[in-house]
Amino acid sequence: QVQLVESGGGLVKPGGSLRLSCAASGFTFSDYYMSWIRQAPGKGLEWVSYISSSSSYTNYADSVKGRFTISRDNAKNSLYLQMNSLRAEDTAVYYCARDRVTGTIRPFDYWGQGTLVTVSS
Amino acid sequence: EIVLTQSPGTLSLSPGERATLSCRASQSVSSSYLAWYQQKPGQAPRLLIYGASSRATGIPDRFSGSGSGTDFTLTISRLEPEDFAVYYCQQYGSPMYTFGQGTKLEIK
Repeated sequence: QVQLVESGGGLVKPGGSLRLSCAASGFTFSDYYMSWIRQAPGKGLEWVSYISSSSSYTNYADSVKGRFTISRDNAKNSLYLQMNSLRAEDTAVYYCARDRVTGTIRPFDYWGQGTLVTVSS
Repeated sequence: EIVLTQSPGTLSLSPGERATLSCRASQSVSSSYLAWYQQKPGQAPRLLIYGASSRATGIPDRFSGSGSGTDFTLTISRLEPEDFAVYYCQQYGSPMYTFGQGTKLEIK
């Protein structure tokens, strides 16, 4: 069965950095785009970034562009999000989600359980 | 960026009633690439509907989606106790994915 397990969240000071990981299993990871989505406490969902199956294409929400970097290692079935210059407004649960198969357009059909990032002094 | 506006913000209904949730887009959603998700407290969102009207795997047929262009609807025909949750619409047809702000479906 498809599983996505995030890790790497925690408490970080404003201006600091953090790297999130997402371990995927139960499907051919290298066939799929992957995305990060976040949810601030008590708020709605915000898409953060996606990466294509071969890492050729990436895209970012304006709110994180220039500060966050998405990457993947298909040999390790892993997705990453490097977060730099963190701000209080980046505090959220971060979910990884399975996106489209290359050549199709599909929504997020599987999500991890999320990892909490708290930015506070 | 396509802005999605959901209404109402909160919907209070009783089990057995029919729920109608709305999602309006600021511009036309390409090829009806519109999805609906359900989220319960402490859980990740779950995909319900994709392509505006197709049910995801394992989703009961009391959930249905409709609409095109800029106006979309999620209908739950007869509410079960487990359906009370927050519902989000999302467009995935443009490179910048966006979500609506959510509709909370609560027990009356």
